[in-house]
Amino acid sequence: DVKVTQSSRYLVKRTGEKVFLECVQDMDHENMFWYRQDPGLGLRLIYFSYDVKMKEKGDIPEGYSVSREKKERFSLILESASTNQTSMYLCASSPPGTGVHEQFFGPGTRLTVL
Amino acid sequence: AQKVTQAQTEISVVEKEDVTLDCVYETRDTTYYLFWYKQPPSGELVFLIRRNSFDEQNEISGRYSWNFQKSTSSFNFTITASQVVDSAVYFCALKRNNAGNMLTFGGGTRLMVKP
Repeated sequence: DVKVTQSSRYLVKRTGEKVFLECVQDMDHENMFWYRQDPGLGLRLIYFSYDVKMKEKGDIPEGYSVSREKKERFSLILESASTNQTSMYLCASSPPGTGVHEQFFGPGTRLTVL
Repeated sequence: AQKVTQAQTEISVVEKEDVTLDCVYETRDTTYYLFWYKQPPSGELVFLIRRNSFDEQNEISGRYSWNFQKSTSSFNFTITASQVVDSAVYFCALKRNNAGNMLTFGGGTRLMVKP
């Protein structure tokens, strides 16, 4: 079974702090994704990576950056956390190639910025 | 631009009732793929189904069934004889027409099944 793990289920940070959210998958997937989930808005894509050191902006990249130094690990970075970044963050991965594959999701990190 | 709309934000039913979750999508692509995911209280989204635009046959899997209608751009999901364990948030999603399996999600429908 594909396993996607996220470093924390709950996180509380202060405004202005640098925040790292870590995601690890164990199925050798090339594609990895970071989403934020807010009530009524569904999941919105922040960043996407299709290979090590490769990344693309999603729909709402402002205030975020990412790092993909190893294939299995995809990190989301909030350079200076703000209260409007309080949200649920979900990581996902999927196989590469031209086929259409479902994404496999981690359990999420609920981040509160005070 | 692509868009997925789930007009029902919350639905509450009593156990054993049938319930239909609506999904309407917008796309200019002639070939596209639609998905349904379930998010139980644990938080992890679980894949339920994938359907491509060339296959308009309805699908049934146990108590779950899906009705895909290109004419109305809808991909509705019905749970028959609902159970408390069906309580979750359900998301409909549309694959974007580019590489990498990126998805556009609807806003989700929270289903509450009461005993």
